[in-house]
Amino acid sequence: DTGVSQDPRHKITKRGQNVTFRCDPISEHNRLYWYRQTLGQGPEFLTYFQNEAQLEKSRLLSDRFSAERPKGSFSTLEIQRTEQGDSAMYLCASSTTGTGNYEQYFGPGTRLTVT
Amino acid sequence: GNSVTQMEGPVTLSEEAFLTINCTYTATGYPSLFWYVQYPGEGLQLLLKATKADDKGSNKGFEATYRKETTSFHLEKGSVQVSDSAVYFCALSGSYNQGGKLIFGQGTELSVKP
Repeated sequence: DTGVSQDPRHKITKRGQNVTFRCDPISEHNRLYWYRQTLGQGPEFLTYFQNEAQLEKSRLLSDRFSAERPKGSFSTLEIQRTEQGDSAMYLCASSTTGTGNYEQYFGPGTRLTVT
Repeated sequence: GNSVTQMEGPVTLSEEAFLTINCTYTATGYPSLFWYVQYPGEGLQLLLKATKADDKGSNKGFEATYRKETTSFHLEKGSVQVSDSAVYFCALSGSYNQGGKLIFGQGTELSVKP
């Protein structure tokens, strides 16, 4: 059973550059979530997709952030004009909606460092 | 809005000690409740869950009971091991109409000494 995978695992970028992260969910999962986790804090919800539709975006997701899930499979999260405050761990999770209890499976995360 | 509050860490225990990590929540409707664990250098793993009031979730010797009257979901283990050292997160998810997103507490770091 292949779990949720994320790429890259680590990204170091200079302020002002654009970065893109990829998430591959568990294959039969139709919901995909993005969270952000800063040091010493719990993950915070950013956005989620059901199949290819982006159904909710947090107010944390500024104009510089955009997420896509073409064809309802993998997803990408892009951050434009990165700022030092964007430094965090970006987590992806997936789930089904069949059972209704929303058990989410997390990937290993992408750690972003903005210098 | 929905929120989760956990006891602050770090918590340091000796091996075989009893563990309690407190978690309380605020939510509308009937949320599902979860405990996730993050071992050093690893991703979040679901430890246990409860989907309705009075349900008890259990896994690997850990237990938590969904108490609607006290809006709590405290994590307990009778005898901790060094390998339980990790950060523990309490979380809730709302109803279907709320999209199932998870709201996490700030995490409680547990360190178990031999």
